[in-house]
Amino acid sequence: DAKTTQPPSMDCAEGRAANLPCNHSTISGNEYVYWYRQIHSQGPQYIIHGLKNNETNEMASLIITEDRKSSTLILPHATLRDTAVYYCIVNAGGTSYGKLTFGQGTILTVHP
Amino acid sequence: GAGVSQSPSNKVTEKGKDVELRCDPISGHTALYWYRQSLGQGLEFLIYFQGNSAPDKSGLPSDRFSAERTGGSVSTLTIQRTQQEDSAVYLCASSLMIYGEAFFGQGTRLTVV
Repeated sequence: DAKTTQPPSMDCAEGRAANLPCNHSTISGNEYVYWYRQIHSQGPQYIIHGLKNNETNEMASLIITEDRKSSTLILPHATLRDTAVYYCIVNAGGTSYGKLTFGQGTILTVHP
Repeated sequence: GAGVSQSPSNKVTEKGKDVELRCDPISGHTALYWYRQSLGQGLEFLIYFQGNSAPDKSGLPSDRFSAERTGGSVSTLTIQRTQQEDSAVYLCASSLMIYGEAFFGQGTRLTVV
């Protein structure tokens, strides 16, 4: 699996957009970018994933650079409940899919 | 149920005893995954199943760990002769297809005393 690099922590004011970066400079052409988050004492929660096009769903937007070496997860209007550890993962699917390799992630703290 | 169900939610066991952890995936999900998370640490992949077969067992930490899945549904993770370093939250997840999202259960907190 490609290695990802994320800042260890970030702060965001409630109601503002939270932009979480991720570097994956060794990503392969068939590897997807996934984002999950883990709120304290809960199991991880899927947020979004993409291959090369930008993606948007009800939770967030995913912006992937043209060279696919980095991406940004955007929470458009952060709330206190968005405080969590956010994980960026790259995975090729197929037989390696199940081996989602979680790094240390980014601790996002949303403050009033 | 609507989500991934794990049981028990908490388990305290004595060192040297065997334990079984159970995972009920979302109905119809063919892929099932086991992870563990030690206190303050990230998630460590253990094993995953596609149907009843496990293509990748490389994450199992030792031969004391084993897992099976029957009928393409329920999975059991067994830890034999538990050690204190086995103490962790064991998480199970399932997904409908290999490129889709994985849904996680709330985990089993295992404490070996």
